[in-house]
Amino acid sequence: SSELTQDPAVSVALGQTVEITCQGDSLRDYYATWYQQRPRQAPLLVIYGNNNRPSGIPDRFSGASSTNTAFLTITGARAEDEADYYCTSRDTSGNRLVVFGGGTKLTVL
Amino acid sequence: QLQLHESGPGLVKPSETLSLTCTVSGGPVTTNLFYWGWIRQPPGKGLEWIGSISYSGSPYYDLSLKSRVIISVDTSKNQFSLQLSSVTAADAALYYCVRHSDLFYSNSGRGYYYMDVWGSGTTVTVSS
Repeated sequence: SSELTQDPAVSVALGQTVEITCQGDSLRDYYATWYQQRPRQAPLLVIYGNNNRPSGIPDRFSGASSTNTAFLTITGARAEDEADYYCTSRDTSGNRLVVFGGGTKLTVL
Repeated sequence: QLQLHESGPGLVKPSETLSLTCTVSGGPVTTNLFYWGWIRQPPGKGLEWIGSISYSGSPYYDLSLKSRVIISVDTSKNQFSLQLSSVTAADAALYYCVRHSDLFYSNSGRGYYYMDVWGSGTTVTVSS
């Protein structure tokens, strides 16, 4: 399957650590890329490749991967981290270049 | 700093063609280092890749849309465009233009893409 599966919603207490997961067969061959989308804003690249952060992304954001699962970890969550998070990867089905996960809504309590 | 800005009609009638343009500022569209793409987000839903193109190569489209979509680059205006024909209510969405990388490979052998520059998005409504 070329799909990427994410939990629809996750919550974390302020200052605690949260892990958002993304699962799919394509992740065996491709790293997930992670985007943050705050309400009424365009998505923002937060993690790409083997745990790379673009300039300006805080180091509390980190990425990891196992066989077919990618993880986005936020260490010490802040109120401004409340957002939707999407993973994406190369699609291995041949139907498209890029496939997105369904997104995870992160609530910071 | 590279910036992207989408423009085009916000209202399209059913069965007609949706046409959007993305203006690239702060850098040339004539680069082989990146692709230029379109992403959409239906109201209350997730992100969907539509297609991508490099200025010198063939476009890539989502197969579910391939019969209706054309993405092209206008180097003279430093723009790229999206045309989606025979629109229905299902095509109503927030449309983003993006810059995205070529496929890179890490030392582990795994590949990855990234979309590092996004426009602010433009809303398209489909209604008669």
